[in-house]
Amino acid sequence: RKEVEQDPGPFNVPEGATVAFNCTYSNSASQSFFWYRQDCRKEPKLLMSVYSSGNEDGRFTAQLNRASQYISLLIRDSKLSDSATYLCVVNRGNAGKSTFGDGTTLTVKP
Amino acid sequence: EAGVTQFPSHSVIEKGQTVTLRCDPISGHDNLYWYRRVMGKEIKFLLHFVKESKQDESGMPNNRFLAERTGGTYSTLKVQPAELEDSGVYFCASSQQARDGYTFGSGTRLTVV
Repeated sequence: RKEVEQDPGPFNVPEGATVAFNCTYSNSASQSFFWYRQDCRKEPKLLMSVYSSGNEDGRFTAQLNRASQYISLLIRDSKLSDSATYLCVVNRGNAGKSTFGDGTTLTVKP
Repeated sequence: EAGVTQFPSHSVIEKGQTVTLRCDPISGHDNLYWYRRVMGKEIKFLLHFVKESKQDESGMPNNRFLAERTGGTYSTLKVQPAELEDSGVYFCASSQQARDGYTFGSGTRLTVV
């Protein structure tokens, strides 16, 4: 079993739709959690950190459930520019090393 | 603020040759990481520097890979001799704190033929 598992996707949604991605992690010692966005043939870019209390940045909402070892990302009112691969990333805190999920590909269509 | 810079952006070498990748992190970022993505697989950790010290090199595949960060500024990753399975995209990233999210460089696409 992989340490970080994501919805395999791909997700194909119309503009304006709401889409949710799920991620589970197996190491209960994990301390920091992130969502990155990666466009085709580009580097990953940090989208947002994920906190236990949940956090929101515009149309994006991230949630963390430590008890279930589950992370989610919700995108509301999808835009064409949201089309990308979304990577769930888990870090053991001070150890620095991060573990990446395989990514979930989102395509937003007109 | 300048981002993380990697050089070269692409490299095509023959099996058995040597290649050296370079990474310049964001100024002031003590933490520097190397990651690799081989085709069809997830991004995987190679190693982590804190300043000039190797904090964790548990992801380095074998002793053909050598990473350095002399002076705690830029880092190099040398592959010698290169094998076909070393092909992939090598990403460098940096952060201020080890628990922070990273800023990635644009990567070096290495092809070993």
